[in-house]
Amino acid sequence: AIQMTQSPSSLSASVGDRVTINCRASQVIRNDLGWYQQKPGRAPKVLIYDISNLQSGVPMRFSGSGSGTDFTLTISSLQPEDFATYYCLQDYSYPPTFGQGTKLEI
Amino acid sequence: QVQLVQSGAEVKKPGASVKVSCKASGYTFSNYYMHWVRQAPGQGLEWMGTIDPSGDFPTYAQKFQGRVTMTGDTSTRTVYMELNSLSSEDTAVYYCARACGGGSCYGRFDPWGQGTLVTVSS
Repeated sequence: AIQMTQSPSSLSASVGDRVTINCRASQVIRNDLGWYQQKPGRAPKVLIYDISNLQSGVPMRFSGSGSGTDFTLTISSLQPEDFATYYCLQDYSYPPTFGQGTKLEI
Repeated sequence: QVQLVQSGAEVKKPGASVKVSCKASGYTFSNYYMHWVRQAPGQGLEWMGTIDPSGDFPTYAQKFQGRVTMTGDTSTRTVYMELNSLSSEDTAVYYCARACGGGSCYGRFDPWGQGTLVTVSS
């Protein structure tokens, strides 16, 4: 199975900050990468798919980039509602695998 | 709107089975596979398997092979996930999530059901 390694595992930031979360795949995964946000007690929600496509309804302060094995989620200016846990997901090959998560805290 | 509604919380004893349902609405059910993902308390997300709408072509994670059965019913627009031989390690929230329906939507599981908490305790 492809391993997805996220960094950092936790991150402290302030409202207005620019933050980046990284995800490294154990092998090339083409474009088959998405980013998810999860708040406590809620289901995950897709933010980005195909590395950089913004899901409908997601604010433009979220963006994705990368290629090959290295990918990045960027939040350009943190808002209070962005404090949550973020996961990357590859579905290039089965089984689909998630990163271990990055908890973004105030 | 596209929506997935799951069955309610369950409490089971070790060794028992649980069956979780996921009812879809707001889209052409037959066009999309469904994933099942679970999340143990305080832990990350774990993919369990995928099922086609009619339930004919399940694909299971190796970890759950032999212990999980996923089915689908196009007449009721519902998919099911049954997990057998439960242990305390199966205590988790179980989610269904719609797969990409084709085209350029890789890495997209959307939407997700609200989750079903399964507690395994003696």
